[in-house]
Amino acid sequence: AQSVTQLDSHVSVSEGTPVLLRCNYSSSYSPSLFWYVQHPNKGLQLLLKYTSAATLVKGINGFEAEFKKSETSFHLTKPSAHMSDAAEYFCVVTPWSSASKIIFGSGTRLSIRP
Amino acid sequence: NAGVTQTPKFQVLKTGQSMTLQCAQDMNHNSMYWYRQDPGMGLRLIYYSASEGTTDKGEVPNGYNVSRLNKREFSLRLESAAPSQTSVYFCASSEATGGNQPQHFGDGTRLSIL
Repeated sequence: AQSVTQLDSHVSVSEGTPVLLRCNYSSSYSPSLFWYVQHPNKGLQLLLKYTSAATLVKGINGFEAEFKKSETSFHLTKPSAHMSDAAEYFCVVTPWSSASKIIFGSGTRLSIRP
Repeated sequence: NAGVTQTPKFQVLKTGQSMTLQCAQDMNHNSMYWYRQDPGMGLRLIYYSASEGTTDKGEVPNGYNVSRLNKREFSLRLESAAPSQTSVYFCASSEATGGNQPQHFGDGTRLSIL
């Protein structure tokens, strides 16, 4: 069985300050982990993915995430927030073998203050 | 560079009416998926198609049917719509169903059942 928990439903930061979106997962097999971003009235767009290679994964738009097996975490970070980062972010876990058991987190809404 | 195209974008139905949601991808992907997104929740998998000619149930298949018409197109049908099926529906595609494959999403169909 597997599950994913996004620890904050809403995060608000000032423009130019760091962003941290937290995600914990549980999986009984080797997981693939993803972060997707959803802008209003749009579909989800891949930010980055972890598939058992490097534990620090770099994505688009300056985002990165670190896979920590001991803490079962996959937190998303960005050094300096931009207004265009305001969106909903989803942490996703699947077994390595098949996407049919895909599980989405409930999402974290990121707001950016000017 | 269309990617994944969903039609219609919006639809209002009465309880008991039927409806087919259309999805087409132009990336030559083998696998396609249908999800629903409800407020405060992540996406949940309704059905998926690993390859042309195959379909399988996901997490929440009750009340829905699907057809993989060809490699490009994957439709979702509501035979007798119910208010509980009011949701935003997303179609996605990937090269294969391996869990390490990122998915590409359409912009969604917003469906209201009265």
